[in-house]
This record gives sequence, structure tokens and C-alpha cells, in this order.
Amino acid sequence: QQQVKQSPQSLIVQKGGISIINCAYENTAFDYFPWYQQFPGKGPALLIAIRPDVSEKKEGRFTISFNKSAKQFSLHIMDSQPGDSATYFCAASGQNFVFGPGTRLSVLP
Amino acid sequence: SAVISQKPSRDICQRGTSLTIQCQVDSQVTMMFWYRQQPGQSLTLIATANQGSEATYESGFVIDKFPISRPNLTFSTLTVSNMSPEDSSIYLCSVGVGVYGYTFGSGTRLTVV
Repeated sequence: QQQVKQSPQSLIVQKGGISIINCAYENTAFDYFPWYQQFPGKGPALLIAIRPDVSEKKEGRFTISFNKSAKQFSLHIMDSQPGDSATYFCAASGQNFVFGPGTRLSVLP
Repeated sequence: SAVISQKPSRDICQRGTSLTIQCQVDSQVTMMFWYRQQPGQSLTLIATANQGSEATYESGFVIDKFPISRPNLTFSTLTVSNMSPEDSSIYLCSVGVGVYGYTFGSGTRLTVV
């Protein structure tokens, strides 16, 4: 119940395309859902986050869509760029903080 | 958000030895967290360190193997003791901003040979 599932494991997108990463959770006590971006040799950096009282949050090219009834949330990266190539982790926070297994995104030039 | 300095950034150690990783934060924080990230894997919480009290360890991690110090509100250390090749990982320090926001250090890449 403490798990966060994430898919796909890896993703290849052409420059300018849309990258979509999906996550699902079971524990309804989770009340904060951040996404982290990690470049090789660096620690994860908070990218964008959402709380369950909203269905969508947009920051620049990054959008989180949240479906509370389905217990799913997703990250959309519009106009994907080679500089977006990184590993993306979804996470869920309540009393505990749980990371998804990660998605390795490669954006081809 | 808080800025975290973590040292060393990487090290290669002989099996059976110990390595202490330092984490310095530029502001006072109540909770500090230590994570392990094995190659190509997600992050696993090792322990939570609160100033003035014993660290709280997650299942599968014990104090004898991963002793933690938290002498003040801006500093913590994690020691990886009696290392084996299975301890080769990235170790990350993190601080919580309130209950929800987390900032990570750049990590310590440990290789045990």
C-alpha cells in the first residue's frame, strides 16, 4: 500500500514531442504528489508538485494531471527538448515519503 | 529552498573500511533524511535524523551499519561501516521544507572494491 507505481521504465521522444509519464498509488492518505528530475551525477531536484484538491497544475512546459478517483497522476512535458533528457521520479507524501521507480527519458535531437 | 552541501562527492573504498559522509545545510532544519540510490534504481530511505534525538531507521537498515550523527540543526553525518561491494551506491542527504517539500544534496557516489 506504500508503493508508487510508475511507467514507462524508459521513454524515447523526438525533439518537440510530448513526453508522458504515469504514476499510480494505493494509499489514500497521500496528500502531496511531487515530481523530481535527476541528471546523471546529481541529486533529484523538485520539478513540479500537486495536491489532490486540484486536477491539473501547469508550470511552463511541465503539467501534472491528477485523477483522485483513479489514484493516478501523470507528468506531461510539452515541446520536449534534448536538455530534458534525465530520469524522472514521481513521489507521494503523507506520513511517509515514497518514490516511484523512475523513468529514464531520452529526447532525440 | 535550502541549499545542501554534501561531501565527499565520490569515493572508492576498500572492503571492510568505513566512510563518513557529511551533509551541511545553509539554514536550520528540523528533519534531515539519508537515502540510498543503487545503480539505476529509485531512492530508498535509510533513516531520518532529528537534532537531539536518535535517528529513526527504516526496515532493513541498522544503526551499527549506518550510524548517523546530528549535532545541530544544519549538519549531519552518515557513516557506512564495514563496507562490502553491496554498499556501492549513491548516498543522498535530504532536508524537508515543512512537511512536504524536499531538497536533495548532489549525493556521494561510493564504490567499494
